[in-house]
Amino acid sequence: DAGITQSPRHKVTETGTPVTLRCHQTENHRYMYWYRQDPGHGLRLIHYSYGVKDTDKGEVSDGYSVSRSKTEDFLLTLESATSSQTSVYFCAISESATANYGYTFGSGTRLTVV
Amino acid sequence: GDSVTQMEGPVTLSEEAFLTINCTYTATGYPSLFWYVQYPGEGLQLLLKATKADDKGSNKGFEATYRKETTSFHLEKGSVQVSDSAVYFCALSDSGANSKLTFGKGITLSVRP
Repeated sequence: DAGITQSPRHKVTETGTPVTLRCHQTENHRYMYWYRQDPGHGLRLIHYSYGVKDTDKGEVSDGYSVSRSKTEDFLLTLESATSSQTSVYFCAISESATANYGYTFGSGTRLTVV
Repeated sequence: GDSVTQMEGPVTLSEEAFLTINCTYTATGYPSLFWYVQYPGEGLQLLLKATKADDKGSNKGFEATYRKETTSFHLEKGSVQVSDSAVYFCALSDSGANSKLTFGKGITLSVRP
């Protein structure tokens, strides 16, 4: 969607290597989220951010870290990739502290760990 | 904790058939409810939402009514089209500050010409 972009769109990496996924927004929204999508699980929250340098863990945060040094960028890092982290990763943004407005999602990053 | 349960899929329908996709939820307080749609190769898009009991969300011919008594938010469309083929996710947000979306597992809809 316009206003939120994810990079890269596709990546293949080897087990044990570090990987960083980027989410960039031009909407100046304060709230940003990282989800992973897996068959049979739907979307599960990895980490989220309520502002610059203000982040917290979601339900599946093990093996992942995040950083937010600027409002527009939210980075997801896999410190040492494992095959179980093969997934499609989605970033989302929200203008509100409550989710009542819903989220705007990026187009996703398909990550394959071999 | 909060959870969303969607009917098992996939669902295959012929064009112009009636669609119902079931969604029930478990939550404390008064959640808002959403349906998102994901077309092939794309991210999720908000399809419709309802923020309080008895509200009806509607968009693109789809409808869903927030039923607190049955904790349900079933998605319906009277006449599906091939272009409706996608994955549909039911979701809820709790009513607290700093709330987040909780998603169901999603269901794939395929519509045959």
